[in-house]
Amino acid sequence: ETGVTQTPRHLVMGMTNKKSLKCEQHLGHNAMYWYKQSAKKPLELMFVYNFKEQTENNSVPSRFSPECPNSSHLFLHLHTLQPEDSALYLCASSPSWGRGLPLHFGNGTRLTVT
Amino acid sequence: TQLLEQSPQFLSIQEGENLTVYCNSSSVFSSLQWYRQEPGEGPVLLVTVVTGGEVKKLKRLTFQFGDARKDSSLHITAAQPGDTGLYLCAGANYGGSQGNLIFGKGTKLSVKP
Repeated sequence: ETGVTQTPRHLVMGMTNKKSLKCEQHLGHNAMYWYKQSAKKPLELMFVYNFKEQTENNSVPSRFSPECPNSSHLFLHLHTLQPEDSALYLCASSPSWGRGLPLHFGNGTRLTVT
Repeated sequence: TQLLEQSPQFLSIQEGENLTVYCNSSSVFSSLQWYRQEPGEGPVLLVTVVTGGEVKKLKRLTFQFGDARKDSSLHITAAQPGDTGLYLCAGANYGGSQGNLIFGKGTKLSVKP
């Protein structure tokens, strides 16, 4: 029981496709995050939602669009991606944002853009 | 901009050997976390260190936070193949507008039987 579930685990999409990544957490947490993990780079924070409100958008291109309908669910909508967007996308949650609390991660979606 | 440098980047050892990996910064952190990420999975928290000079042990893993809270180390005794994975450190600062964790690039450890 991971507590944070991500689907799909793997995704291959063309540059003109539209797809969505889904994340669900069963931990009762109020903050949810999207991270991008690429080889030879630190984990890159993309978006943060705290109590369903977006608190961080780290200069992420508009081809990535987050959605947080409630504190348990987080989506990342993808459209017209570039090959350099291929990476592991990790969802995480924590009790709240802003206090450096440890993160609980899902197992990620491995995205390949062709 | 705060950065965390992890070294070595890669480490390949035989089962039973000891090893130490490092996490260094020129900045002070309120606390530091260590995560392990196994292939095909997300990172999992191992430990949080908060006080300068603090030492925490988790079975064969020993974590230390530097006195000045700018660096940390992870020592593994008698490594086992199950220790294989990517070890990430992450620094946190409380308060102000910076509420997020700063991650290092990680140390990729391979323990061969």
